[in-house]
Amino acid sequence: DAMVIQNPRYQVTQFGKPVTLSCSQTLNHNVMYWYQQKSSQAPKLLFHYYDKDFNNEADTPDNFQSRRPNTSFCFLDIRSPGLGDTAMYLCATSGATGSLADTQYFGPGTRLTVL
Amino acid sequence: AQSVAQPEDQVNVAEGNPLTVKCTYSVSGNPYLFWYVQYPNRGLQFLLKYITGDNLVKGSYGFEAEFNKSQTSFHLKKPSALVSDSALYFCAVRETYKLSFGAGTTVTVRA
Repeated sequence: DAMVIQNPRYQVTQFGKPVTLSCSQTLNHNVMYWYQQKSSQAPKLLFHYYDKDFNNEADTPDNFQSRRPNTSFCFLDIRSPGLGDTAMYLCATSGATGSLADTQYFGPGTRLTVL
Repeated sequence: AQSVAQPEDQVNVAEGNPLTVKCTYSVSGNPYLFWYVQYPNRGLQFLLKYITGDNLVKGSYGFEAEFNKSQTSFHLKKPSALVSDSALYFCAVRETYKLSFGAGTTVTVRA
C-alpha cells in the first residue's frame, strides 16, 4: 500500500544534542510537509517542499532545518533541541496538482522527547 | 486569513447514539474544508473533505459532514457511534499549501 513512513516512531535526545527525523513516501507526491504538534494541540506547519523548492513558515525557529534529497525522502534536523521542542513531529504529503483540493496524507509521527 | 473553530473541547456520547462534532469556518472565497481523526500516539487520518458540489459529504468509517454556507459550518456526523470512534478530531481549512487546523475535539464514546 502507498503510504507515508516516519522513523523513528519514538526518539529521546538530550538538551542541545542534534537530532534528525526521517520521512519517506511511496505516493510519489510532489509536496512534503513537516508539522509540529505539542500535547493534544493542533498541528503547526514548520515548512514544506514543493519538489525541491523549500518554503519556511515565518515563525519557524532557525533551529529547525530540513532536507529533501529526492522525491521520496525528507528529513527534519533540529540542530540544538530545547526542552520546548518536545512534541510529536508529523510528516505529510499531497498530490502533484498543487490544487487546494489535494488531500494531505500524514505519517504516523515521531514522538520526540528532549531531556 | 482562513480559519476554522471547533467550539467544543469534548463530546461524550453513548455507543449507538448519533455523534456530531462541530466546526465553523471563516474564509474569503471558496472554502476547502477537511476532517481528520487522530488516535493516541498516531498521525492524522483523513476522513473527508468538502471542495464543491453536494453539501453532504460522505467519508471513511461511516462518517459524513454537512456543509452549510449560510451558517458557515461543516459539522462532522456519524449516525451510530462506536467505542472505537473515541479519538481526537480536527477540522481544517486549506489555504495555499497550508492546512490551518481547529483546536480539536476529543470524542469519548462510552459502552
